[in-house]
Amino acid sequence: RKEVEQDPGPFNVPEGATVAFNCTYSNSASQSFFWYRQDCRKEPKLLMSVYSSGNEDGRFTAQLNRASQYISLLIRDSKLSDSATYLCVVNSYTGGFKTIFGAGTRLFVKA
Amino acid sequence: GAGVSQSPRYKVAKRGQDVALRCDPISGHVSLFWYQQALGQGPEFLTYFQNEAQLDKSGLPSDRFFAERPEGSVSTLKIQRTQQEDSAVYLCASSLLQGAMNTEAFFGQGTRLTVV
Repeated sequence: RKEVEQDPGPFNVPEGATVAFNCTYSNSASQSFFWYRQDCRKEPKLLMSVYSSGNEDGRFTAQLNRASQYISLLIRDSKLSDSATYLCVVNSYTGGFKTIFGAGTRLFVKA
Repeated sequence: GAGVSQSPRYKVAKRGQDVALRCDPISGHVSLFWYQQALGQGPEFLTYFQNEAQLDKSGLPSDRFFAERPEGSVSTLKIQRTQQEDSAVYLCASSLLQGAMNTEAFFGQGTRLTVV
């Protein structure tokens, strides 16, 4: 079982739709969490950090559930420009530092 | 430059050839990471440096892979006797603080390695 798992999708949604992605992690010592966005043939870029209390940045909302070991990303009012791969990222320190990426969830937003 | 710079952007190597991939992190960034990304997959951790110290190399797939960061800035990932399964995009990332917990990692554009 991979340390960080995501539904690979693809999610195909119309413009204006609300879409949610989940990510589960297996290491209970994980300490910080992020969502990165990666466009085709580009490098990953930070979308947002994920805090225990949940956080929102415009149309994007991220939540963390430590008890169930999953994080989520909600995108409201989807835009064509939201089409990308969304990578779940987990940092943990258990004797050694690790930053683990999920395999990504692909989103296609269509007009 | 302001960002992480990697070179070359593209490399075609014949099977058995040695290659060296370079990463220039953002100036002053303590942490540096190398990742391998196969087509359609997320980045897979290879190794981590804190300044010049290689603190974790558990992700290096074999002893043909070697990374160094001798002066705590530029890093080189070397692959000896390349094999076809080494074909991937190699991403370098840096972040400001040690351990990079709760801090953003900035990625270079990657080196696309194709072994023929």
